[in-house]
Amino acid sequence: GQNIDQPTEMTATEGAIVQINCTYQTSGFNGLFWYQQHAGEAPTFLSYNVLDGLEEKGRFSSFLSRSKGYSYLLLKELQMKDSASYLCAVMDSNYQLIWGAGTKLIIKP
Amino acid sequence: DADVTQTPRNRITKTGKRIMLECSQTKGHDRMYWYRQDPGLGLRLIYYSFDVKDINKGEISDGYSVSRQAQAKFSLSLESAIPNQTALYFCATSDFTDGNTGELFFGEGSRLTVL
Repeated sequence: GQNIDQPTEMTATEGAIVQINCTYQTSGFNGLFWYQQHAGEAPTFLSYNVLDGLEEKGRFSSFLSRSKGYSYLLLKELQMKDSASYLCAVMDSNYQLIWGAGTKLIIKP
Repeated sequence: DADVTQTPRNRITKTGKRIMLECSQTKGHDRMYWYRQDPGLGLRLIYYSFDVKDINKGEISDGYSVSRQAQAKFSLSLESAIPNQTALYFCATSDFTDGNTGELFFGEGSRLTVL
């Protein structure tokens, strides 16, 4: 079966750095997405990786290793507004998105 | 105005009632989706449509039906609502043309409670 694993919850301190991991087992691979979702709101797109390596976008970076079925989202200079759930999703060989359950990130002052 | 609009945003109904959730988009995307989200679970796909004449079941389509009235409109119906359909429902669109990644653009969500 297809599976996406990510930690349920993480806590970090304002101003620090946090890394959210995602491992996947899917039928084929056509890209990996990270979304941010604030409580009660819609998910919003953060990043897309289809080739191995690091994609940097401001304070957020996303890394992919296809051979290891592994990705991480790195958030730097954490701000209180970064408190949210972070969703990892993989597009399989049928171009269907397989979603992880999300990681709830709690930022403490 | 939001590019993907869902109505109603909140709805409380009783078991056995018919409910329709509507979604409209101004992004011009051909692909539209309905997801539900439950606490502790990932987004689960109910139905998706790649164009007006193409409707496909997702992983949890039982108890739901959809209608793609136009490129811009995709409605989800619960013919006879039951309490375990209480959830947050999201409509989304995507575009695979011109090298786009196929990222999803979500509506604001419709919170449905079935008593």
